[in-house]
Amino acid sequence: DQQVKQNSPSLSVQEGRISILNCDYTNSMFDYFLWYKKYPAEGPTFLISISSIKDKNEDGRFTVFLNKSAKHLSLHIVPSQPGDSAVYFCASDTGNQFYFGTGTSLTVIP
Amino acid sequence: EAGVTQFPSHSVIEKGQTVTLRCDPISGHDNLYWYRRVMGKEIKFLLHFVKESKQDESGMPNNRFLAERTGGTYSTLKVQPAELEDSGVYFCASSQGWGNLHFGNGTRLTVT
Repeated sequence: DQQVKQNSPSLSVQEGRISILNCDYTNSMFDYFLWYKKYPAEGPTFLISISSIKDKNEDGRFTVFLNKSAKHLSLHIVPSQPGDSAVYFCASDTGNQFYFGTGTSLTVIP
Repeated sequence: EAGVTQFPSHSVIEKGQTVTLRCDPISGHDNLYWYRRVMGKEIKFLLHFVKESKQDESGMPNNRFLAERTGGTYSTLKVQPAELEDSGVYFCASSQGWGNLHFGNGTRLTVT
């Protein structure tokens, strides 16, 4: 049973525009969320996180929004750059294990 | 600091054979995790070590999989005997306390 879901397997965005990656979760006990970025043949690397006590966390071009009532979070990248092309995984940390989504492959077109 | 290293990067074995994957976590990281990604699906939790102890092995698919972390340093994940459905990318990750996970580059296992 998948507790973290990313329903869009891929996304293409023009350079300079906004990329919005979405993630839904089912477990209302989840209270800490992370986004990881993965390049081919490499392991995922941490990008940004958010605690459930917040609804927004911003780090440079990356902003994560959390809507607890909808059990939904999103990652906004603006402006998108070609180097952002990668697979993005949404994850939740229960303190004991991480649950990951299936990933969204982002392609930023120059 | 050196990152999480995994060996080998690729392994191709025949069904029924044995394969052992190794992970060296970041020095000083007590937490070590094994994850697996099969055929573009989600990255799925296998197990979690705290030092040399198995904290949670609820994600291990069956008893063909054996993980060890002797001395609380590096870890090995053995698959014996391997089946076709074991093919995938096996990631190791480590963290210090509640810190974010640091992943290795993974071992791509292909069982033919």
